[in-house]
Amino acid sequence: AQKITQTQPGMFVQEKEAVTLDCTYDTSDQSYGLFWYKQPSSGEMIFLIYQGSYDEQNATEGRYSLNFQKARKSANLVISASQLGDSAMYFCAMREDYGNNRLAFGKGNQVVVIP
Amino acid sequence: DVKVTQSSRYLVKRTGEKVFLECVQDMDHENMFWYRQDPGLGLRLIYFSYDVKMKEKGDIPEGYSVSREKKERFSLILESASTNQTSMYLCASSSTGQSNQPQHFGDGTRLSIL
Repeated sequence: AQKITQTQPGMFVQEKEAVTLDCTYDTSDQSYGLFWYKQPSSGEMIFLIYQGSYDEQNATEGRYSLNFQKARKSANLVISASQLGDSAMYFCAMREDYGNNRLAFGKGNQVVVIP
Repeated sequence: DVKVTQSSRYLVKRTGEKVFLECVQDMDHENMFWYRQDPGLGLRLIYFSYDVKMKEKGDIPEGYSVSREKKERFSLILESASTNQTSMYLCASSSTGQSNQPQHFGDGTRLSIL
């Protein structure tokens, strides 16, 4: 069964606008971590932000913030004030087992920022 | 900064060849991973290792093997390359312990099997 679901089609967003990328997850564990990565067309995977399941506050990292709704099992990424360099694929990932640090990835959301 | 280095950005091989993809990390990380990435499928885990000489199968290990003789190096081996192994291959490493530690990725190898 798919553990991470990212279902939005490719998105176009106007420069300087905010964009929200949806991510829902499936786990029976109480302790887990959620990660977002960015992959530009050049191919490298860039870590953006982390949210722990026990964190009471939503994570923020510069222009990135995470809208974490534990009861709904969602961890949406919000990018504020979009820039042209934000055009990329964005992947949501979850770690259930801290022992081996294995991640389950979603299929990604494509974002294109237009001037 | 963590540096994960993959030996090639682009690689072209022929069907039936034995192919080696090398990955080296410089942060003394215990865990290392190999993924393949295909359009519409996201990242799928092939193998991972949490210690020297240790390996665990991921979700799609068939047709692949791995080697970890030294902590900093994790090799992916295609024993007899086939065209359906044409893909983007990503290596990653991470430390054990703190739960918020992300995986750090190399730049990827785009492998074409002809």
